[in-house]
Amino acid sequence: DTAVSQTPKYLVTQMGNDKSIKCEQNLGHDTMYWYKQDSKKFLKIMFSYNNKELIINETVPNRFSPKSPDKAHLNLHINSLELGDSAVYFCASSHASLDEQFFGPGTRLTVL
Amino acid sequence: KQEVTQIPAALSVPEGENLVLNCSFTDSAIYNLQWFRQDPGKGLTSLLLIQSSQREQTSGRLNASLDKSSGRSTLYIAASQPGDSATYLCAVKRGANSKLTFGKGITLSVRP
Repeated sequence: DTAVSQTPKYLVTQMGNDKSIKCEQNLGHDTMYWYKQDSKKFLKIMFSYNNKELIINETVPNRFSPKSPDKAHLNLHINSLELGDSAVYFCASSHASLDEQFFGPGTRLTVL
Repeated sequence: KQEVTQIPAALSVPEGENLVLNCSFTDSAIYNLQWFRQDPGKGLTSLLLIQSSQREQTSGRLNASLDKSSGRSTLYIAASQPGDSATYLCAVKRGANSKLTFGKGITLSVRP
C-alpha cells in the first residue's frame, strides 16, 4: 500500500518518560510534517522538513525533537513527557511542487 | 496572523440533500486552500486542493470554490449520503514553504 504510516498507533506512558513516534511515507514525497491535534480537535503544525532540512518550526518546546534520517522518514522524539502533551500526533507528507498533503492515521499519546 | 473559521461547528441533514460547507479566512494573500475529511479516530483524507489562481475544483460529488478577495471557500456536496458523515476541515497556506492553518472543522451528519 502506498501511504503515510505511523507507529505506534497508541502510546500510553508516565510523566517524565521519553518516547518516540515514527513516520514513514512511500509516496516519493520530499516534504514531511508533524501536527498535533488537541482534545478540542484543533490541528496545529509543529514541524516541517523538506529534503531532510527543517523549514518550519512552530513554537514547540525543545523537549520535542524531530529527526529525518532520509526523505521518507520523519520521527518525533519527546523528552520529559508532560500531561499537556497528551494529544493525537499526525504525520503528513507532500511533494513540494504539488503541495497536496497526505496524512498518516495518527498516534494517540496519553501521558499519565 | 491568518485565522480560518468554519461555521457552523456541526450540521445534520437528511440523505439526498445538496449542501454547502463554508470556510472563511482573514488574510486573502493565500497560496492555496485544501479541504480535508476526518472520520472519527482516523487521520485526514485530502478531498480537494485549490491553488490561489483557481476558482474551483471538482471531484465526483464534491465541488470546492475559492473567492480570495472575500476570503471565502465553499465545499459543495451533491446528493449527500450517510457515508459522507465526517468532520470536514479547510486549511489555507500563505506561501510555498509556509504552514497550513486549519479551521476547527464542521462535523456533518447525514441521516438515512
